Amino acid sequence: QVQLQESGPGLVKPSETLSLTCTVSGGSISSYYWSWIRQPPGKGLEWIGYIYYSGSTNYNPSLKSRVTISVDTSKNQFSLKLSSVTAADTAVYYCARRGYSYEAHYYYYYMDVWGKGTTVTVSS
Amino acid sequence: IQLTQSPSSLSASVGDRVTITCRASQGISSYLAWYQQKPGKAPKLLIYAASTLQSGVPSRFSGSGSGTDFTLTISSLQPEDFATYYCQQLNSYLWTFGQGTKVEIK
Repeated sequence: QVQLQESGPGLVKPSETLSLTCTVSGGSISSYYWSWIRQPPGKGLEWIGYIYYSGSTNYNPSLKSRVTISVDTSKNQFSLKLSSVTAADTAVYYCARRGYSYEAHYYYYYMDVWGKGTTVTVSS
Repeated sequence: IQLTQSPSSLSASVGDRVTITCRASQGISSYLAWYQQKPGKAPKLLIYAASTLQSGVPSRFSGSGSGTDFTLTISSLQPEDFATYYCQQLNSYLWTFGQGTKVEIK
């Protein structure tokens, strides 16, 4: 079964760039959308953005100016870069797959596979 | 599209029937999913397409609604159901989550 694993530095200095990678195992990165979601301490889930295996992307407008998501199909990985970080970017970062189901002539979507999450702290 | 969940938290006893609502700021047809999250864990998909139970999820969970108003119902709350629940819309090309509903033990 498909599994996701986030990796990257757990501590980032203010104003620097946060970089995380999600490795997909047990299946191919092809034919799916892949997403990053984060959760600040004690708060709810925030969608950051997604990438299709072909490279097309879409980002949360509130983060769009600082976010880049990329994919490396040869390594079965996709990555997140968030620039100019502040303490407000301290969070658990999750990667997830957008699954789909075809029912009654429509495609329905959902996040069906999640990584365990990685904690990133922004501090000097 | 904004999603507003209510209540933000609730206290209930084992065996209670629990209902959580999620309201979208504009119509999203049935493009709504529900997730359960326990402390220190990743969210787990419960329901998609507003009412379709994900494989392996107990039948005490059910979802309903379309357009702007949706509900998640737990017919008989079990000890393992104490968690935070989130709705998510995937109708538009910008995805959003509700703010969450924490279900606590009474």
